Amino acid sequence: EVQLVESGGGLVQPGGSLRLSCVASGFTFSNSWMTWVRQAPGKGLEWVANIHQGGSEKHYVDSVKGRFTISRDNAKNSLYLQMNSLRAEDTALYYCARDPTRGGGYNFDYWGQGTLVTVSS
Amino acid sequence: DIQMTQSPSSVSASVGDRVTIPCRASQGISSWLAWYQQQPGKAPKLLIYDASTLQSGVPSRFSGSGSGTDFTLTISGLQPEDFATYYCQQTNSFPLTFGGGTKVEIK
Repeated sequence: EVQLVESGGGLVQPGGSLRLSCVASGFTFSNSWMTWVRQAPGKGLEWVANIHQGGSEKHYVDSVKGRFTISRDNAKNSLYLQMNSLRAEDTALYYCARDPTRGGGYNFDYWGQGTLVTVSS
Repeated sequence: DIQMTQSPSSVSASVGDRVTIPCRASQGISSWLAWYQQQPGKAPKLLIYDASTLQSGVPSRFSGSGSGTDFTLTISGLQPEDFATYYCQQTNSFPLTFGGGTKVEIK
């Protein structure tokens, strides 16, 4: 059974940092593009970043470029999102998700339960 | 960036109804479109990819159509568990973008 379990969310002050983690199981993690998607309270979905199987290719939404870094450790079946210079508008539930297409189809067939990030003073 | 527009933001329907949910892209995306269902308090669920391909395990009452800029998700014979919010997402180019969602509510 495919499982994605996020952690690392919490309350942080504006300008602060957090590192989100997502541990994967039930599939060959090193074969999959992986993605972070966020959802602000009561709002829609926003794609944040994704990363190639080997970590060599990464893409970000403009609003997080230069502040967030996506990475992975295939030996630990883990995906990460380092978030720096956090802003109030980064407040959201952050999901990690799997891309089912080895070459990158950019849709997402398995999602975690999400980890909540709240940026507030 | 490609903007994805879902209008209306909500539709009212009854069990057994046929419901169509439109999605429009700001520029042509061929068939690079996915649809998701999100129940309250739950993660999104992939329904359709490549505009019309049904994801494994998704009931056949869900179908997708369209190409270029105009797309439609159709639910044929609405079931109680289908009352949810539906999002389209373009998979054509970065940044990947979602529509604002259409909530299917009970009439």
